[in-house]
Amino acid sequence: DIQMTQSPSSVSASVGDRVTISCRASQGISTYLGWYQQKPGRAPKLLIYAASRLQGGVPSRFSGSGSGTDFTLTISSLQPEDFATYYCQQANNFPLTFGGGTKVEIK
Amino acid sequence: QLHLQESGPILVMSSETLSLTCTVSGGSIKDYHYFWVWIRQSPGKGLEWIGDIYYSGDTYYNPSLKSRVSMSVDTSKNHFSLRLSSVAAADTAVYFCARRTLDYFVFDFWGQGTRVTVSS
Repeated sequence: DIQMTQSPSSVSASVGDRVTISCRASQGISTYLGWYQQKPGRAPKLLIYAASRLQGGVPSRFSGSGSGTDFTLTISSLQPEDFATYYCQQANNFPLTFGGGTKVEIK
Repeated sequence: QLHLQESGPILVMSSETLSLTCTVSGGSIKDYHYFWVWIRQSPGKGLEWIGDIYYSGDTYYNPSLKSRVSMSVDTSKNHFSLRLSSVAAADTAVYFCARRTLDYFVFDFWGQGTRVTVSS
């Protein structure tokens, strides 16, 4: 199985801050990667697919980059509704696997 | 707008079979662009992909669960189902149904999730 490792596991930030979350795959996955946002008691929501493509309806302050084994999710200017947990997911091999999550908390 | 809704028992006895159904509305389960998926989330194991089913009945299962998992689809009712046998406490989780895209293998619509507890 491909292991997905996210860092940091949590980050404290203020509204307006730029936030960067990293995701590393245990083997190369090209650009077969998705990013999700999850709020407490809710299902995850797809933000980014194919490593850098913005899902419809997702604000442009979210962006993704990377290929191979190293990927990044960036929130350019954190908004109050962005405090949540973020997950990466590799889409290259079965079984499909997720990272452990990064919680973005209010500073 | 597509809507997915999980249903089924929220309490299952240890060693018995967990059964859930996901009803799809606002779209057809026969849309050939998509697979239909079960994912679970627990504090101990995070998000875990259980398996996929296509409207034709083709399935892909997580090898870690393959011996205990069965998925089926009923296109006349626009729903798909999960059966997980011989459950134990480790199967206690929130179970989500979702839709997976055929091209990018990501999950673009999710149900709200249903918490299932395995009791001894």
